[in-house]
Amino acid sequence: DAGITQSPRHKVTETGTPVTLRCHQTENHRYMYWYRQDPGHGLRLIHYSYGVKDTDKGEVSDGYSVSRSKTEDFLLTLESATSSQTSVYFCAISERGTGVNYGYTFGSGTRLTVV
Amino acid sequence: DAKTTQPPSMDCAEGRAANLPCNHSTISGNEYVYWYRQIHSQGPQYIIHGLKNNETNEMASLIITEDRKSSTLILPHATLRDTAVYYCIVRAGGGGADGLTFGKGTHLIIQP
Repeated sequence: DAGITQSPRHKVTETGTPVTLRCHQTENHRYMYWYRQDPGHGLRLIHYSYGVKDTDKGEVSDGYSVSRSKTEDFLLTLESATSSQTSVYFCAISERGTGVNYGYTFGSGTRLTVV
Repeated sequence: DAKTTQPPSMDCAEGRAANLPCNHSTISGNEYVYWYRQIHSQGPQYIIHGLKNNETNEMASLIITEDRKSSTLILPHATLRDTAVYYCIVRAGGGGADGLTFGKGTHLIIQP
């Protein structure tokens, strides 16, 4: 999607290893989000950020941490990956927290497999 | 955010109008209705949103009932590329930064 890039697109990792996913935006939007999507659960919010160094937990934050040291990058870290964290991860950005005027723009996703 | 109810799946013939319903009977006065769609394996895509007036853009039209308890997303001339899961989301206009809440949505299948 224009203005938002996720990396890597695919990753296979072993249980117990740390993993970091990156979301990079070129839109200078203040708000950034990490979601995971699993069959039967739809999209669930993991963490979000409302500014540099300002982050908060979402619905399914256990086992995940995030960092935002600059406006354009939002990192999602799995400190010790587990098989239950096998999922597709989506990053999203928004100009405003409500997204009323601009909507939310989503990245193309990262498919993570923990073996 | 108010809860929404959508049919799990719908079919529509290619070239015809696709009408996707959404019930949001507990919507409050400051809550907007948003529609997103997710084509297989891609990230969700914003379609349209509205408060109480009907809205139209290049992708779709949104019809909101006068009592605001339900709405309909209309894709006027559906194509095979419109096959996707469509999410109806209700969210306060002055709400916080904590993202959108997605339900199960409606899986729209466009038949050739």
